[in-house]
Amino acid sequence: ELKVEQNPLFLSMQEEKNYTIYCNYSTTSDRLYWYRQDPGKSLESLFVLLSNGAVKQEGRLMASLDTKARLSTLHITAAVHDLSATYFCAVEETSGSRLTFGEGTQLTVNP
Amino acid sequence: DVKVTQSSRYLVKRTGEKVFLECVQDMDHENMFWYRQDPGLGLRLIYFSYDVKMKEKGDIPEGYSVSREKKERFSLILESASTNQTSMYLCASSFSGGAFFGQGTRLTVV
Repeated sequence: ELKVEQNPLFLSMQEEKNYTIYCNYSTTSDRLYWYRQDPGKSLESLFVLLSNGAVKQEGRLMASLDTKARLSTLHITAAVHDLSATYFCAVEETSGSRLTFGEGTQLTVNP
Repeated sequence: DVKVTQSSRYLVKRTGEKVFLECVQDMDHENMFWYRQDPGLGLRLIYFSYDVKMKEKGDIPEGYSVSREKKERFSLILESASTNQTSMYLCASSFSGGAFFGQGTRLTVV
């Protein structure tokens, strides 16, 4: 059974600081997704990582995938308050199989 | 842009009612999913489908059924709604390039 673990689960940051969220998974996969969720809303797709070594960046967020280590990271650069949300990673074991989610990381960026 | 549309944002139903939650995607995706999300429990998979008329149980299928008669539409059915099915329901569709969610349906069973 595929397991996906995120850490930390709660992250309180100051603005302008950098931090990384980690996503570990337990079986072979080369399909990993990152999502953002605001309170009361659905999941917004942030990044799709489909191969070992994939790196994608959008604004202050950068995601990477190391399939050998079964690890993805979401790096936040110079955080701003607007980034406050819950971030989820999800792994698709093979094409057409179920998506398995991490527990989510609740990020709060304080002024 | 990929569009996944759920039929209702908010729904209030009575205990014992049969409830239909509809999800439509416009990108010809093979795979579709239904999740529920509850505080402290994360996202839990109810059912998923990898083709028309095909379905697989997820982690919590009890009390639910699904229907996929057409590729673009995946319906979640609560046969006899109960108060413990009060939750946020999220539909998603996926292909080889990613998985995308609808806006969610907040269902309250009274």
